[in-house]
Amino acid sequence: SQTIHQWPATLVQPVGSPLSLECTVEGTSNPNLYWYRQAAGRGLQLLFYSVGIGQISSEVPQNLSASRPQDRQFILSSKKLLLSDSGFYLCAWIPWAGKGGYEQYFGPGTRLTVT
Amino acid sequence: AQSVAQPEDQVNVAEGNPLTVKCTYSVSGNPYLFWYVQYPNRGLQFLLKYITGDNLVKGSYGFEAEFNKSQTSFHLKKPSALVSDSALYFCAVRVYNAGNMLTFGGGTRLMVKP
Repeated sequence: SQTIHQWPATLVQPVGSPLSLECTVEGTSNPNLYWYRQAAGRGLQLLFYSVGIGQISSEVPQNLSASRPQDRQFILSSKKLLLSDSGFYLCAWIPWAGKGGYEQYFGPGTRLTVT
Repeated sequence: AQSVAQPEDQVNVAEGNPLTVKCTYSVSGNPYLFWYVQYPNRGLQFLLKYITGDNLVKGSYGFEAEFNKSQTSFHLKKPSALVSDSALYFCAVRVYNAGNMLTFGGGTRLMVKP
């Protein structure tokens, strides 16, 4: 069966520090991968998605970046965090080319607090 | 462009009563529609989907949803609410592009009182 992992689970970082959040998926190949941010326990904002290794599409211009160095690994990064980067970061995946019903499966999330 | 609206920020219902969480959509083409639930500090859990077929879709934890093409709605329902159903619920629609993205509604908080 497929599982998705995110770490760390929680993170407190000072303004101006770098960021690296990691997401990995097990039990599938060539998934589509997604990064979302959720502020104030409400709506989801799609940040990046990837349809393959090295292929990243950005939905919202900001000081975050994403990379996909391996098929089942998706990394969210920042060189210098802003207070506004605080939030709950969620990673999600779907099977390759929608070999399924296109529903996304979410990881447990990372709670980031920028101080 | 595809969009989803959840007109209620919060829905309150007594335990044992039926519940409805509303969702309306706007898409060009056939809609792929989804419902998710989120408990505090957790990721979203997939509940059910509509792609084609019967308008009444059954999902996890006793939830179901009714697809209504003429009203462009996809309301989530449950015949008898439980206190443990209290959570944040999201409706979503598939975006027809290479990324197979989902567009989410703003979420509805369901509060089930004993």
